[in-house]
Amino acid sequence: GAVVSQHPSRVICKSGTSVKIECRSLDFQATTMFWYRQFPKQSLMLMATSNEGSKATYEQGVEKDKFLINHASLTLSTLTVTSAHPEDSSFYICSARPLMEVYNEQFFGPGTRLTVL
Amino acid sequence: DQQVKQNSPSLSVQEGRISILNCDYTNSMFDYFLWYKKYPAEGPTFLISISSIKDKNEDGRFTVFLNKSAKHLSLHIVPSQPGDSAVYFCAASVSSGSARQLTFGSGTQLTVLP
Repeated sequence: GAVVSQHPSRVICKSGTSVKIECRSLDFQATTMFWYRQFPKQSLMLMATSNEGSKATYEQGVEKDKFLINHASLTLSTLTVTSAHPEDSSFYICSARPLMEVYNEQFFGPGTRLTVL
Repeated sequence: DQQVKQNSPSLSVQEGRISILNCDYTNSMFDYFLWYKKYPAEGPTFLISISSIKDKNEDGRFTVFLNKSAKHLSLHIVPSQPGDSAVYFCAASVSSGSARQLTFGSGTQLTVLP
C-alpha cells in the first residue's frame, strides 16, 4: 500500500517552455502533498506544501509564480514549472501523507528528472 | 542553518557486518524521526521511524536509536547485505505542526561490500 506515482519520469524541454509534473496517490487519500527538489549529491529540499482545496505554502526562496502548484483532489497534485530555464534542471520529487496518518510518514513518488536545454 | 545533519557522506561495510548511520539535530521541537533509503533516480523509501517518547525501535534488520539529550539518532542495519547499498536520509518532524513537514539531512551513501 501507500503508492505514489509521478508523471512523467523524465522530461526534456526547451528554455522558456512550461512543464507540468503530476503526483498521484494511488491507493490512499492525501490532504497534504509535498514537493521537493534534489540537486546531485545533495539532500531533498522542500519547495512547497500542497493542501487540497487551498493555496500551497512555499518555502523561503521558492518563487510561487514560477512553480505553480495545484492540489485539485485528494489524490492529485501538480507542479508546473513555468518559463523553464537551464537552472531549473533538477530532480523533482513529490510525497504524500495519508489522510488518516497519525504520525508523520510521507510516501514518495519515484521522481521526475527535468532537463531544460 | 542545517537543523538535521548527517556528518558522514559515505560509509563502507563488509557484508554480514553491522552498518551504523548517524544523524544529529539541533531543533529541540523535533519529536518524530524517520529514516529513508534512496536509490539513484528514485524517490526515497520509508524504512523506520521513532517517536521521541521512545529510545529504540526495531524492525527486522533495522533498529533506530534515539538519544534525546544528545539530540542524536542512529540507524543500525545488521546483518548488512549488498542490497542495502543506497543513500540513507534521516528526517525529523514536529508532530504538532500543522503541516508536519519533514526536514532532511544531507544523506549518507552506504556501500555494502560482498
